[in-house]
Amino acid sequence: AQSVTQLDSQVPVFEEAPVELRCNYSSSVSVYLFWYVQYPNQGLQLLLKYLSGSTLVKGINGFEAEFNKSQTSFHLRKPSVHISDTAEYFCAVTQTGANNLFFGTGTRLTVIP
Amino acid sequence: GAGVSQSPSNKVTEKGKDVELRCDPISGHTALYWYRQRLGQGLEFLIYFQGNSAPDKSGLPSDRFSAERTGESVSTLTIQRTQQEDSAVYLCASSFSRGDTEAFFGQGTRLTVV
Repeated sequence: AQSVTQLDSQVPVFEEAPVELRCNYSSSVSVYLFWYVQYPNQGLQLLLKYLSGSTLVKGINGFEAEFNKSQTSFHLRKPSVHISDTAEYFCAVTQTGANNLFFGTGTRLTVIP
Repeated sequence: GAGVSQSPSNKVTEKGKDVELRCDPISGHTALYWYRQRLGQGLEFLIYFQGNSAPDKSGLPSDRFSAERTGESVSTLTIQRTQQEDSAVYLCASSFSRGDTEAFFGQGTRLTVV
């Protein structure tokens, strides 16, 4: 069975500071990993995904994530956040060869001016 | 349309009534997902359709919940005898058949049971 854990439900950070949103997964097989973002009053949209190859993945809006197989983690990072990054961020996992997509409980990022 | 369309966008219903939520996926997407998002919480998987295969219903919380999909088109999620704890935003997403492709989400249906 697969599961996704996002330990931090809320992360406040000052504007222009770096941020890391944590994501850990559990799976006995190979997985694909995703980060989705939900801006206030909007639907979810894909930030980035890891399928294979380079463990450092770059996404939209300056975000990146690093896949660490030994630690079963896929943490999301941004070196300098902006007010417009305030949103809910969801980590998701699916088993390679399958399609069912499981989400974590989300991390609410609040950027403080 | 170009995206995933859900209707209605808002639904207020009385406890005990049945409701039907609709999802129009992106044309050509064989995979379709339903999720529930309670206030302040994450996405709870409900059901997953993939082409003509048997759906994965493992996330449906009770037998009051059911969903159907006609081929690779419209899906309806039905909640019978609604309860107040059913109040949530119900999200639909679709994707191409491969698991490595992006899932596109609709704006959701906000269900309020009073």
